[in-house]
Amino acid sequence: GENVEQHPSTLSVQEGDSAVIKCTYSDSASNYFPWYKQELGKRPQLIIDIRSNVGEKKDQRIAVTLNKTAKHFSLHITETQPEDSAVYFCAASIGTGANNLFFGTGTRLTVIP
Amino acid sequence: SAVISQKPSRDICQRGTSLTIQCQVDSQVTMMFWYRQQPGQSLTLIATANQGSEATYESGFVIDKFPISRPNLTFSTLTVSNMSPEDSSIYLCSVEDPPWREQFFGPGTRLTVL
Repeated sequence: GENVEQHPSTLSVQEGDSAVIKCTYSDSASNYFPWYKQELGKRPQLIIDIRSNVGEKKDQRIAVTLNKTAKHFSLHITETQPEDSAVYFCAASIGTGANNLFFGTGTRLTVIP
Repeated sequence: SAVISQKPSRDICQRGTSLTIQCQVDSQVTMMFWYRQQPGQSLTLIATANQGSEATYESGFVIDKFPISRPNLTFSTLTVSNMSPEDSSIYLCSVEDPPWREQFFGPGTRLTVL
């Protein structure tokens, strides 16, 4: 199956600064790459995703970039706020849909007011 | 997106017993999945629940330990059989929601095995 690595495992930033989380994947057949945010005691929430036919996608303060050649993708959060504090998971799926997601190990983001 | 509910939300069980977790969706979906999230860890896919056929299990998970049912397009169950303390985890169901084919998670079932 797919193997997804995620770095860093923890990240602390000052409020207003940017945060970047990076993931690499092993299977070149992977075509769908979502990012989930999980607050303590809550379910993972989809925050943004990208498919392999685009290199970048942006939604307000959140953006994701994808480099299929290098098999890595990144989450960028700008102007961070305390409510961005959570664990973030990247994932990869073979095929065009969201089936059979393989998750990274997670990044605990802390935004310091 | 689809509204997903799970029952029970949490349970404490004795080793050697079994627990069945239910997942209900408010709309018909083709793909339903079951994941395990051990304390402080990432999510691991257990199996894909297929309507009308046997579930497809990922490496390391077997049907005898985690039998799954999918009687229709809105419902699935996962049973954790012959439980041991190592089965203590959060179990989450998820669905692939058309038309964008994104995956959304239920609230999870927190299982503690004593």
